[in-house]
Amino acid sequence: KNQVEQSPQSLIILEGKNCTLQCNYTVSPFSNLRWYKQDTGRGPVSLTIMTFSENTKSNGRYTATLDADTKQSSLHITASQLSDSASYICVVSAVSRGSTLGRLYFGRGTQLTVWP
Amino acid sequence: GAGVSQSPSNKVTEKGKDVELRCDPISGHTALYWYRQSLGQGLEFLIYFQGNSAPDKSGLPSDRFSAERTGGSVSTLTIQRTQQEDSAVYLCASSLDKYTEAFFGQGTRLTVV
Repeated sequence: KNQVEQSPQSLIILEGKNCTLQCNYTVSPFSNLRWYKQDTGRGPVSLTIMTFSENTKSNGRYTATLDADTKQSSLHITASQLSDSASYICVVSAVSRGSTLGRLYFGRGTQLTVWP
Repeated sequence: GAGVSQSPSNKVTEKGKDVELRCDPISGHTALYWYRQSLGQGLEFLIYFQGNSAPDKSGLPSDRFSAERTGGSVSTLTIQRTQQEDSAVYLCASSLDKYTEAFFGQGTRLTVV
C-alpha cells in the first residue's frame, strides 16, 4: 500500500531555533518527493522537489534530504522565524514511464508552531 | 492570472443541493489534481487528469462526486445531493506534466448546512 508517514505530528519551537521534520514513505514506483508549506487557510506552496538521484536540496533556510534506499526524507529548518509557523506536508509522486498517469501521495503534515 | 485559480472561494449550500466547483489551471499544464482537506485532516486525493488520458477517479468517495476537464484546461468538480460530511476545503493543483512540481490554488471552502 502506498503511504506517506510524517513525524512529529506537531512541534513547537522557539524563534531562532532549528528543527527537523521527518517523512517515511512506501510509495512505488517512486518518481519524486516534494515538501510543501501550508499556511492556515491557504493552499500548499512548494518548498523543494527531489528526484531519485538527489540527496539534498536547499531553498533558503529550508534544506531537504532524501535517502531513496531507506525511503526517508527530512526537512531541516534553520534559524526559525515566526512566519515558519505552518503545516509542512511531504508529498511523494508515483509514476512509471510506461504510464501516462501519475499520482501524488500526501502525508498528514507536521504542524509547526514557532514562538517568540 | 499566473497561478491556479479556483472559484468560488467560499460556498455554503443546503444539504441535498448540488454544487459545482471550478478550477482554472496554469496555462499549458497538462496535469490537474483535485484534493479535499477536512478540518484538521491531511489532503485526500479525489481525481487526477493527465492530458487526454482517462482520468484516475479512484479517490472519488462516492458516485455523488464527478469531475470533468474540458479542452484540457478548466476543470469542474460536481457534488450532487451534498451531505454534511462533504464540508471541506477542495483544493485544485496543476503541473506541467506528471513529473514536475504541482502548484495549488487557494481552495474552495464548502460548507453544507
